[in-house]
Amino acid sequence: DIVMTQSPLSLSVTPGEPASISCRSSQRLLHSNGNTYLDWYLQKPGQSPQLLIYLRSNRASGVPDRFSGSGSGTDFTLKISRVEAEDVGVYYCMQGLQSPLTFGGGTKVEIK
Amino acid sequence: QITLKESGPTLVKPTQTLTLTCTFSGFSLSTSGVAVGWIRQPPGKALEWLTFIYWNDDKRYSPSLNSRLTIAKDTSKNQVVLTMTNMDPVDTATYYCARRLKTATIYNGFDYWGQGTLVTVSS
Repeated sequence: DIVMTQSPLSLSVTPGEPASISCRSSQRLLHSNGNTYLDWYLQKPGQSPQLLIYLRSNRASGVPDRFSGSGSGTDFTLKISRVEAEDVGVYYCMQGLQSPLTFGGGTKVEIK
Repeated sequence: QITLKESGPTLVKPTQTLTLTCTFSGFSLSTSGVAVGWIRQPPGKALEWLTFIYWNDDKRYSPSLNSRLTIAKDTSKNQVVLTMTNMDPVDTATYYCARRLKTATIYNGFDYWGQGTLVTVSS
């Protein structure tokens, strides 16, 4: 199984400031078709997870452009350029390259 | 508009079999590349993928739960059914169904999720 490791476990951010979350996979997530199967999800308090980023850097429909995904190989990053109050919640990375699909342990983002 | 909704018992006893139904609308599970998956989340813990079924009836299961899980689809009813046998208190979790789109050239992750249903396992 591919193990997904996120850091930090939690993050406290001042509104308007940037934030960054790291995700590391135990195997490369690059498929032979050239795609990197790494997703990011946000679970806001009391809600279902929602897709933010797919294929490492593609924003899902309706996701603000302050969210960006990057990385390669086994190291990936989700960046929020200017954190807003509505961005609080738990962020998860997930590898979609092979079964079993696996999630990171989550990073909780709160506002200072 | 795409929606998914989970339904089933909120309380099951240890050793019983859990059956959950995901009823969806706005897409068809007979369309190439479409899949519906199940993901669960124990209270206060991280997400865990369980299984998914593709438009062509291809199925994948979590190895750690493989012997206990069965997934099936009813395309005419727009439903996917998850069965989990021999339930244990550690299986207490919110169970989500979600749509996945994956072909050789398209991938959208789990782009739509249901609201989730909390299942408690207790005698």
